[in-house]
Amino acid sequence: NAGVTQTPKFRVLKTGQSMTLLCAQDMNHEYMYWYRQDPGMGLRLIHYSVGEGTTAKGEVPDGYNVSRLKKQNFLLGLESAAPSQTSVYFCASSNSFPSSLPLAYEQYFGPGTRLTVT
Amino acid sequence: AQTVTQSQPEMSVQEAETVTLSCTYDTSESDYYLFWYKQPPSRQMILVIRQEAYKQQNATENRFSVNFQKAAKSFSLKISDSQLGDAAMYFCAYRATNTGNQFYFGTGTSLTVIP
Repeated sequence: NAGVTQTPKFRVLKTGQSMTLLCAQDMNHEYMYWYRQDPGMGLRLIHYSVGEGTTAKGEVPDGYNVSRLKKQNFLLGLESAAPSQTSVYFCASSNSFPSSLPLAYEQYFGPGTRLTVT
Repeated sequence: AQTVTQSQPEMSVQEAETVTLSCTYDTSESDYYLFWYKQPPSRQMILVIRQEAYKQQNATENRFSVNFQKAAKSFSLKISDSQLGDAAMYFCAYRATNTGNQFYFGTGTSLTVIP
């Protein structure tokens, strides 16, 4: 199993450009998440999804959009990039409650995408 | 919303010694899960240890153990026989069972291991 994968790993954008980050998981998880990580601020939730076709806002959703057309994929879009969106972006997935699997409630993370907006 | 607090932004430990990282959380739930994640310079988030709130016994994973104090809402991580490879950022995380859509993370503790 590949677990959680993210594409791309690095990207540089100019202000105003758009891009989409792709997250894929092969663990049949119901829940998927997008976080951003900035120095000294830990992980902040951007958007999340509790199932195919559903999305919800997290702590810092402004400037981002998401889609979950397939259970295994969760896309994060930036329509008009700003320098404040320079960050490392992590995708994660997890099982829903209850699960028949023991010890199965943690989040599994992708390797991260470093995005720089100039 | 639940909050998770890590009051030690940075910690250091001598190689082979023991270090304890602190974490407190605020919740009104009775059933939940707690986790410690490690983030080395590679930035990959790695699960170190998990604790189910209904279990009174503290979780252990080799050199890693927790001190879970439910009444005090405290969940500290003890690393024994510290190794150079333990140097990383450590995050404490909380997940409620009843409303388990979201995970709540602390701001992290940066651990330095001194040879």
